[in-house]
Amino acid sequence: AQSVTQLDSQVPVFEEAPVELRCNYSSSVSVYLFWYVQYPNQGLQLLLKYLSGSTLVESINGFEAEFNKSQTSFHLRKPSVHISDTAEYFCAVSDFGNEKLTFGTGTRLTIIP
Amino acid sequence: DAGITQSPRHKVTETGTPVTLRCHQTENHRYMYWYRQDPGHGLRLIHYSYGVKDTDKGEVSDGYSVSRSKTEDFLLTLESATSSQTSVYFCAIQTGKNTEAFFGQGTRLTVV
Repeated sequence: AQSVTQLDSQVPVFEEAPVELRCNYSSSVSVYLFWYVQYPNQGLQLLLKYLSGSTLVESINGFEAEFNKSQTSFHLRKPSVHISDTAEYFCAVSDFGNEKLTFGTGTRLTIIP
Repeated sequence: DAGITQSPRHKVTETGTPVTLRCHQTENHRYMYWYRQDPGHGLRLIHYSYGVKDTDKGEVSDGYSVSRSKTEDFLLTLESATSSQTSVYFCAIQTGKNTEAFFGQGTRLTVV
């Protein structure tokens, strides 16, 4: 069975500083990996995804994540955060051929002015 | 935004009463899901559907049932609400395997 671990439940970061949100997964087969973002009082939105090909994937608002198969990780990074990045971030995994997403417990990113 | 609507958005109900939450989509997506979101647990899958009258249980299905009589509607029923079912419920839709999931705005349910 697949599972996702987000070790950091809360991450405070100063504005314009870099940030890394950690995600590790476990699965016995090939996986697809996703990061979703949830702004206050809203549903989840896809931030970026890894399906195949280049292990480094990017979003339109400056986030990137790298799929590392040997370390079973898919950490999310941004070189310089903004107040508008304040949100909760969820890592999710689905196994090859399995439609269902399994989510991590989420990381709340707080930007300090 | 993907055409997905949840109703009601907020509800307060008493312990022991039945409650039905509705998810309506205009995208004609095959796959539909119900999740609950609780602090410290992230999102947990309650039930899912791969098509009309084709549903199955997720990891936290006890106390919940679902129905999908039309492609566009996926109903979640709490047969006899308990305080442990106080949560935020999200519906999600997908076009197919390993594709992006689109989420509704959520329903905040409080059982008193």
